[in-house]
Amino acid sequence: DTAVSQTPKYLVTQMGNDKSIKCEQNLGHDTMYWYKQDSKKFLKIMFSYNNKELIINETVPNRFSPKSPDKAHLNLHINSLELGDSAVYFCASSEMTSADNEQFFGPGTRLTVL
Amino acid sequence: AQKITQTQPGMFVQEKEAVTLDCTYDTSDPSYGLFWYKQPSSGEMIFLIYQGSYDQQNATEGRYSLNFQKARKSANLVISASQLGDSAMYFCAMREGRNAGNMLTFGGGTRLMVKP
Repeated sequence: DTAVSQTPKYLVTQMGNDKSIKCEQNLGHDTMYWYKQDSKKFLKIMFSYNNKELIINETVPNRFSPKSPDKAHLNLHINSLELGDSAVYFCASSEMTSADNEQFFGPGTRLTVL
Repeated sequence: AQKITQTQPGMFVQEKEAVTLDCTYDTSDPSYGLFWYKQPSSGEMIFLIYQGSYDQQNATEGRYSLNFQKARKSANLVISASQLGDSAMYFCAMREGRNAGNMLTFGGGTRLMVKP
């Protein structure tokens, strides 16, 4: 069973387009996240949602808009894509009150903006 | 200042030998957690081991152990009996506090290459 799934796995698009990445977790967790991994493999938090409410937005341009229709889903919509948005985007989930808060990551979505 | 520092961008180890991957952290929060993740060439992030700031003993998970030295603010990962499948990127990460959204701050990673 897939714990955290993301679609699509690969996304190639032109500058200026709008695109969405979907994320679903079946672990019953209450917190979900989006991370961005750049070409140098550096991973950085973008957003954190707890029970469908935004709790962290780490200076991400407002072209990025997360949407959480329920606590099992956290989708990422990106408007007016730029070359610098090319990266691997990881969704993750965890249980806020658990002792270790291990975050389970999705397989990643490789976004290439041409 | 960087919160998580991994000073070894790349390392080689001979198969069956042990290897230590370094990680130092910086926080003033008394409550924090330290994590290690493995990222093979296929790209997924695999959780390896966790150490809480109040844990008295070093964490161990199979061939992985965490050498936690609180006073030095270091949390090195030790992999015993390296296998070819251990070749991957390894990331150290920290969660600060209990209510900071639980976000993880990652180090820059260490690429480990296991030689046959």
